[in-house]
Amino acid sequence: SQELEQSPQSLIVQEGKNLTINCTSSKTLYGLYWYKQKYGEGLIFLMMLQKGGEEKSHEKITAKLDEKKQQSSLHITASQPSHAGIYLCGADNAGGTSYGKLTFGQGTILTVHP
Amino acid sequence: DTAVSQTPKYLVTQMGNDKSIKCEQNLGHDTMYWYKQDSKKFLKIMFSYNNKELIINETVPNRFSPKSPDKAHLNLHINSLELGDSAVYFCASSPQTGSEAFFGQGTRLTVV
Repeated sequence: SQELEQSPQSLIVQEGKNLTINCTSSKTLYGLYWYKQKYGEGLIFLMMLQKGGEEKSHEKITAKLDEKKQQSSLHITASQPSHAGIYLCGADNAGGTSYGKLTFGQGTILTVHP
Repeated sequence: DTAVSQTPKYLVTQMGNDKSIKCEQNLGHDTMYWYKQDSKKFLKIMFSYNNKELIINETVPNRFSPKSPDKAHLNLHINSLELGDSAVYFCASSPQTGSEAFFGQGTRLTVV
């Protein structure tokens, strides 16, 4: 099994619907990063969570970190076609010794139908 | 202005060839990375440089050699390309380790 599992692997929703993407680490989380990737483009940084229970929001996207469960969730409210893409979570499992190394999940492909 | 830029964006080459991918960041960051994204979309770190010094070198074949002429550049040279090297390679940078990384647009390498 992978060190970082994302679920679901793909998601198709109707515009306006809410959705949640989960990310579970098999190792201790010192930091959790969410990125969005559009086909043929680089990764766009969304949010970084470092403290247990931390929750951050940007526009209609909210991410939470459950340090004890070694999980993070990304929630999109009232989805729009512009939210479509691949969402990747990246984990810092080594803390101060990681030198910035992140382990990424396999990504969740989100399709939003108008 | 592009923060992290990679060239080329697409690269198609034959097996056995040697190729380079260039990466430049104009953010003044100290740390730069190379990641490889395979066909299943898994993104794995290959190398990390901090102030031109190699910090992370994951299990990567010796055919892959990163070079950092200065803090703003981290190039990736690949010798004797193999079919399995086909992937998207992403360059990234961060102001320091432990902070968010900014990614380039990726270089789609196809080895035929």
